[in-house]
This record gives sequence, structure tokens and C-alpha cells, in this order.
Amino acid sequence: AQSVTQLGSHVSVSEGALVLLRCNYSSSVPPYLFWYVQYPNQGLQLLLKYTSAATLVKGINGFEAEFKKSETSFHLTKPSAHMSDAAEYFCAVSEYGNKLVFGAGTILRVKS
Amino acid sequence: GAVVSQHPSWVICKSGTSVKIECRSLDFQATTMFWYRQFPKQSLMLMATSNEGSKATYEQGVEKDKFLINHASLTLSTLTVTSAHPEDSSFYICSARGTTPYEQYFGPGTRLTVT
Repeated sequence: AQSVTQLGSHVSVSEGALVLLRCNYSSSVPPYLFWYVQYPNQGLQLLLKYTSAATLVKGINGFEAEFKKSETSFHLTKPSAHMSDAAEYFCAVSEYGNKLVFGAGTILRVKS
Repeated sequence: GAVVSQHPSWVICKSGTSVKIECRSLDFQATTMFWYRQFPKQSLMLMATSNEGSKATYEQGVEKDKFLINHASLTLSTLTVTSAHPEDSSFYICSARGTTPYEQYFGPGTRLTVT
């Protein structure tokens, strides 16, 4: 069975600083991996996905993530945080493109 | 493209009544729809998977008779919370999958409060 661990339930960065949100996964087969963002009282918006092509994946709003099989990681980064990036971020894994299993989420706070 | 809507966006009901939540794919045909539940400050938990024209597949621990799911068409799935109780209060989110097997598009969610 697959699982996702997100290290750090809360991350705080200054505006303009690097954003790094950590995600480690467990999967018995080559996984599909996703990062979603959720704003308060809203659904999820897909930031980016890994589907066994390039290991460095670029997404929307300047975010990117790198799939590292040896480390079973899929960390999300953004070079320069913006106030509008403050939200909750979920990493998710899917086997064979079926149901998604989500991590616990990381709330990103951006300080001015 | 790939827009999913939910209705209502929020609902308050009295304990013991039933509530129906609709999930629609607006610009694509959704062969599969998923229903998730999210408690405050927690992650999303999959409740069930529904394929058009078939019975829904429920995750372990989810009461089938309490959470009735119908996927009657390629653009509409409904979740009915029967005999709702305060502990059913939650944020319910649906997602829909079209022809791309690994892509799910999420609705905006429905906030259910049972008093």
C-alpha cells in the first residue's frame, strides 16, 4: 500500500525566500506523484505532477519538484516566496493512476 | 478546461435529516468520480470511488448505507448523507477523472454542518 509523509505541518518563510516543502512516499510500484494547493474553504488545485517522465517537474506559479527514487522523495520548491503562496499544500501518491493517497498537509506561512 | 462544480457550497441541516451533494464535470466526461472527506486541519480521506453506471466502491470504514453515492451519468455524481448527525459535519470534496488515467480534477468542496 502506498503512503505519503510530509515533514513539517507548518513552514514559515519570509517573502522572497526559498520555499521547500518536503514529501516522502512509499509505493510498491513506480508511483505517480502530485502536489496540490488548497486555499481556505476551497477545493484542491494541481500544482504539478510526476508521471514517470522527467524527474524535475515544473508546475504553475513558479513551483517545481524533483523525483528522487533513491530517496523516495518528491520535495516541492520555489525560489522566491510570494505572499499569495500562503496556503496549505498536499503531496499525494497514486499507484497505476488510481486513487490518490494524500499526506497530512503542510501549511505555508509567508512573512512580509 | 476540466472544471468540476459542487452544489451546494455549504449546507446546514438538522440532525436526522438527509442531505444531497452534487458533483458535476462541466466540460468533460468523467468516467470515474471520487468523494473525499476533510475534517478541520486534516488531510483528505477517500470515502468512495464511483464509476458511471456501476455501484460505488467504498473505502474501509465508510458506511455504505449512510453515504449513498450515485453516478448516473458521465457528468454527475451525487453523495447523499442519510440521517445526518453532528459527527458528519465536515468538508466534502469530489474529484472527477476523464480519459487521462492519473489526472483528477477537484471540485470546490461542500461544507456540511449538522446541528
